[in-house]
Amino acid sequence: DQQVKQNSPSLSVQEGRISILNCDYTNSMFDYFLWYKKYPAEGPTFLISISSIKDKNEDGRFTVFLNKSAKHLSLHIVPSQPGDSAVYFCAASVRSGANNLFFGTGTRLTVIP
Amino acid sequence: NAGVMQNPRHLVRRRGQEARLRCSPMKGHSHVYWYRQLPEEGLKFMVYLQKENIIDESGMPKERFSAEFPKEGPSILRIQQVVRGDSAAYFCASSQILTNNEQFFGPGTRLTVL
Repeated sequence: DQQVKQNSPSLSVQEGRISILNCDYTNSMFDYFLWYKKYPAEGPTFLISISSIKDKNEDGRFTVFLNKSAKHLSLHIVPSQPGDSAVYFCAASVRSGANNLFFGTGTRLTVIP
Repeated sequence: NAGVMQNPRHLVRRRGQEARLRCSPMKGHSHVYWYRQLPEEGLKFMVYLQKENIIDESGMPKERFSAEFPKEGPSILRIQQVVRGDSAAYFCASSQILTNNEQFFGPGTRLTVL
């Protein structure tokens, strides 16, 4: 039962352009969402998060948008850089109560120089 | 401030042996989580521990798997009588406070069962 879904396994973007990674979820109890970036043979690195009381959170080149009615969030990276090439995981949790994160299956982003 | 540390980074076991995976959380973090990543899949939650307590083990297989986080020392994920299907990357994460779900991950232990 995959409660967090990333339907695009891979994405290629030209350097300098915008990368948009998408994530959908099914559990309406989720109220906190995170994006992690993962390089091969390393653990996931926290990128940015958003609470369900917001619809946008921005940190430098990274912006996360949340559409609660559609149960959809997206990560925008602009401008994209070759060093952004990695696997990006979307994760969700219920802040009160259980603390485990539910992860999507990841999207492999390749930024072409 | 050292990050989350896991060892060993790579572990090879034959079917039927035991695997012990260790995790030292970030300094000041008292919440530890274990996740498993099978090939081509996302990370799946296994267990959440605080010092000397298992808080949530809803993701742990019912048999052969156990976890602990003693008062002193690292958290241990133990897999008894390993089978080939246990081959995966096992990640540990830690967080500082209960209401902040920004979990910081270690580099993982890659378990290969021959």
